[in-house]
Amino acid sequence: KQEVTQIPAALSVPEGENLVLNCSFTDSAIYNLQWFRQDPGKGLTSLLLIQSSQREQTSGRLNASLDKSSGRSTLYIAASQPGDSATYLCAVNGNQFYFGTGTSLTVIP
Amino acid sequence: EAQVTQNPRYLITVTGKKLTVTCSQNMNHEYMSWYRQDPGLGLRQIYYSMNVEVTDKGDVPEGYKVSRKEKRNFPLILESPSPNQTSLYFCASSLGPSLNEQFFGPGTRLTVL
Repeated sequence: KQEVTQIPAALSVPEGENLVLNCSFTDSAIYNLQWFRQDPGKGLTSLLLIQSSQREQTSGRLNASLDKSSGRSTLYIAASQPGDSATYLCAVNGNQFYFGTGTSLTVIP
Repeated sequence: EAQVTQNPRYLITVTGKKLTVTCSQNMNHEYMSWYRQDPGLGLRQIYYSMNVEVTDKGDVPEGYKVSRKEKRNFPLILESPSPNQTSLYFCASSLGPSLNEQFFGPGTRLTVL
């Protein structure tokens, strides 16, 4: 069964810092890896989708990489802002989806 | 507006009283699924559906039923709810598991007393 791990569980950084969130998974037979953002009490917002044949995707200040053979993905956030404070989740899928437990990010003004 | 809607958003009920949480999407997506989110356990998939009349168990299907009679709707049924089903539930949809991103509904917070 696929297992997805996210490290660290929580992270606090001062505004303006660049940061990296990590996601690892045990079974490399995946279709996609997707990064989400979840604000407290809210639903999930998709940030980036990397298909299994791709190595990275970029959107604005966000860059996500995928190394399928080693079962790892990173989400890089450049020049962090207080509005980036949220929980970040990664998910991998075949026909089923498996989520990590998330990294809770706090950006301090 | 493209969206996934869920109803109700909040529900408090008692053990054993059957309930249904509705989910609807207006994006003509073939793939739909239900998740529950619990502290420390993250999101776990309950059931998913690849298309009309096709449903499959996810990781935690016990105590739940689903149906997919139309492409746009995917209700979650709890025939006899128990307190351990108290959770935050999300419905999601996408074109397919290997295609495009998943879109999530706003969530349903269920409390079973």
